[in-house]
Amino acid sequence: DAGVIQSPRHEVTEMGQEVTLRCKPISGHNSLFWYRQTMMRGLELLIYFNNNVPIDDSGMPEDRFSAKMPNASFSTLKIQPSEPRDSAVYFCASSAGTNGGQPQHFGDGTRLSIL
Amino acid sequence: RKEVEQDPGPFNVPEGATVAFNCTYSNSASQSFFWYRQDCRKEPKLLMSVYSSGNEDGRFTAQLNRASQYISLLIRDSKLSDSATYLCVVRNAGNNRKLIWGLGTSLAVNP
Repeated sequence: DAGVIQSPRHEVTEMGQEVTLRCKPISGHNSLFWYRQTMMRGLELLIYFNNNVPIDDSGMPEDRFSAKMPNASFSTLKIQPSEPRDSAVYFCASSAGTNGGQPQHFGDGTRLSIL
Repeated sequence: RKEVEQDPGPFNVPEGATVAFNCTYSNSASQSFFWYRQDCRKEPKLLMSVYSSGNEDGRFTAQLNRASQYISLLIRDSKLSDSATYLCVVRNAGNNRKLIWGLGTSLAVNP
């Protein structure tokens, strides 16, 4: 079975550029989560969707970050303009159900470096 | 105070040893608790859920102490392959049921 698929696996770009991260959740999963992980702050939830609808975006750092989920099989996280402090590993995860009680399945992550 | 706190370690133990990690949480109304495992440069993966009565999965035992607001993970007969970071995860109560993640405890099992 295909797991959560993220692309790209690695991204290196200069500050000021637009960065788009992509995620395909596990088929049939109703919830999708975007996380950022750094050594200092660990895993931080940025935003999550239930049935394609954003439920909580309080973790989105600022207006430079935006996320969309146009359908059940695709989501994007966009950073524009990017800054060096955005460098981190960005994970997408999905889970069945919408009550938060189901385990989350993570993609391999996107390692983002902003120079 | 962080919502979920863990001793970062590292815990260095020999193969075959028993090792235990604790994790404290600040929200007494938290409903669900999990241990995830993360290997170096990999994604987190669910190790086990933690139930009120405690639960065991092979060499792994998880316990919950609601009065003291901590959960624990015990690993018996540790293997080299157990070397990883163990993340404590707590789910909030109420309408916002997002997971709150600890920073993790690093375990190195040595031959």
